[in-house]
Amino acid sequence: QVQLVESGGSVVQPGRSLRLSCAASGFTFGGFGMHWVRQAPGKGLEWVGHVSYDGTKSYYADSVNGRFSISRDNSKSLLYLEMSSLRAEDTAVYSCARFNGAYESLDWWGQGTLVTVSS
Amino acid sequence: EILLTQSPGTLSLSPGERATLSCRASQSVSSNYLAWSQQKPGQAPRLLIYGASTRATGIPDRFSGSGSGTDFTLTISRLEPEDFAVYYCHHYGTSPPYTFGQGTKLEIK
Repeated sequence: QVQLVESGGSVVQPGRSLRLSCAASGFTFGGFGMHWVRQAPGKGLEWVGHVSYDGTKSYYADSVNGRFSISRDNSKSLLYLEMSSLRAEDTAVYSCARFNGAYESLDWWGQGTLVTVSS
Repeated sequence: EILLTQSPGTLSLSPGERATLSCRASQSVSSNYLAWSQQKPGQAPRLLIYGASTRATGIPDRFSGSGSGTDFTLTISRLEPEDFAVYYCHHYGTSPPYTFGQGTKLEIK
């Protein structure tokens, strides 16, 4: 069974940094591109960014480009989201998601971890 | 930039009724890259439909997807109590690489 478990969320002051992790299991992690998606309280899903299966390529939403960075450690089946210069509008539940190339779609999401940016 | 607009924002129906949810793209997209997911409160989204019309593994056949170009539809033929949730269409593309609609909340009437 595919499992994606995020961790690292907390309350952080504006302008500070935070790193989130996503532990994957139940599939060959290094064979899939991985995405981060966020959901602000009471709002819809927002795509944050993604990293290729081998970690060599990454892409970001305009709202986080230059502030967030995605990386992965395939030997440990771990995905990371490094967030810097955090703003109040970054407050959200952050979830990792697997991209299935056969479906051309995200097909599994984690439950997410809450990041609150507040002074 | 591709935008996905879902309608209605909220749909109020009773169990046993038929639900029709719409997703409209701001420009023509390939059906191969259009999907639908369901999200219940406090839960992760679950993929229902990919490639506009193919049910994901384990999804009941009361869920069906259709459409092409700019107009796509998710239909739930006979609503079960567990179907009341928020539904999102989403698209895999190039710029931006991934887009979500704003969601349709399906609530019990």
